[in-house]
Amino acid sequence: AQSVTQLGSHVSVSEGALVLLRCNYSSSVPPYLFWYVQYPNQGLQLLLKYTSAATLVKGINGFEAEFKKSETSFHLTKPSAHMSDAAEYFCAVSDRNSGNTPLVFGKGTRLSVIA
Amino acid sequence: NAGVTQTPKFQVLKTGQSMTLQCAQDMNHEYMSWYRQDPGMGLRLIHYSVGAGITDQGEVPNGYNVSRSTTEDFPLRLLSAAPSQTSVYFCASSRTGFQGSGYTFGSGTRLTVV
Repeated sequence: AQSVTQLGSHVSVSEGALVLLRCNYSSSVPPYLFWYVQYPNQGLQLLLKYTSAATLVKGINGFEAEFKKSETSFHLTKPSAHMSDAAEYFCAVSDRNSGNTPLVFGKGTRLSVIA
Repeated sequence: NAGVTQTPKFQVLKTGQSMTLQCAQDMNHEYMSWYRQDPGMGLRLIHYSVGAGITDQGEVPNGYNVSRSTTEDFPLRLLSAAPSQTSVYFCASSRTGFQGSGYTFGSGTRLTVV
């Protein structure tokens, strides 16, 4: 079964510093990949998604992610962290060959931003 | 406002009680799912539906039932609540299918079983 691994359950960065949240997938066939953000006491919002050709995907709020097949990775980055970025981030995956089965989520990474 | 509406937002149950978590969407989405969120576990799929009258089990279906009689509604039933079902429950929907398009999530139901 398809799965994703998020390295680091908690990441802390200073305001203005680079944000890097790591996600690795398990499939040998490139899957569909997603990043979601969850602010406190809210549901999840889609940040960005990788579904086909472009390996560098830009999302909302200045985030982007690069699909690297050789590393089976889809890490999320933002050049300069803002206090409002503090939230929990989830990587999710869907197998292209599995038909319409729902997304499988990673365990999440909580991002703290220090002033 | 268009979106996914979950009710109630908070609920406390006693062990053995039953209840239904409601989920409704007004976007004419065919695909709907229920997830539970527990600390350190991420979101785990309970049940999902690809259209009215069609449901299937996810990763953690035991103790839960679903039905999909209309496109709009996808209720989740707890048959006999157990403390292990204490969690935050999210309903999500998608227009064009789970692959390739994002979900719209509800705001969640926080359930405590005592």
